[in-house]
Amino acid sequence: NAGVTQTPKFQVLKTGQSMTLQCAQDMNHEYMSWYRQDPGMGLRLIHYSVGAGITDQGEVPNGYNVSRSTTEDFPLRLLSAAPSQTSVYFCASRIDPTGNTIYFGEGSWLTVV
Amino acid sequence: DAKTTQPPSMDCAEGRAANLPCNHSTISGNEYVYWYRQIHSQGPQYIIHGLKNNETNEMASLIITEDRKSSTLILPHATLRDTAVYYCIVGPIYNFNKFYFGSGTKLNVKP
Repeated sequence: NAGVTQTPKFQVLKTGQSMTLQCAQDMNHEYMSWYRQDPGMGLRLIHYSVGAGITDQGEVPNGYNVSRSTTEDFPLRLLSAAPSQTSVYFCASRIDPTGNTIYFGEGSWLTVV
Repeated sequence: DAKTTQPPSMDCAEGRAANLPCNHSTISGNEYVYWYRQIHSQGPQYIIHGLKNNETNEMASLIITEDRKSSTLILPHATLRDTAVYYCIVGPIYNFNKFYFGSGTKLNVKP
């Protein structure tokens, strides 16, 4: 049982490049989400999904796309990277609406130059 | 959405109790109080949650005031490994998108 797995752990992008942050969970959780954390700040919700085929926007969705084709996977796509997207990204999952615990991945450190 | 107010940092001596306060004066009736912590460079970790009664688990105790406008997380015997940022979050249990992390409290446990 690996929990929530994120890849890559570190990435450097040039402005304008696109990339996908991968997230997978092996706990059969319905709810998955992506957060970003800027230095010295709390986590801000980017996008979330309540099940396969269903996604919605969080607090800071601009510049990011998500899809949920399977229960296990929830990739985050940066369409055209900007320096403002330099951040640490956390993927998280939760079993269902009654689950009190959110499980987080280890984080992906992204630098856009 | 209920928001929380926490002190930016606190110090605690190793072996002593750490009491971390949180104000959530706009909390509504269906919103729970959750505490998470984030040790440097790791993903946040769940600690405890409650609605209106005090709660205790193997990690901590949560004391919620009777009017539910504030709460305190208690680590009974803080260790150096408890040095982390502690987030107090309020949100409805059934609404995943209304789960906002603020800036938290940086707890420094000192020997």
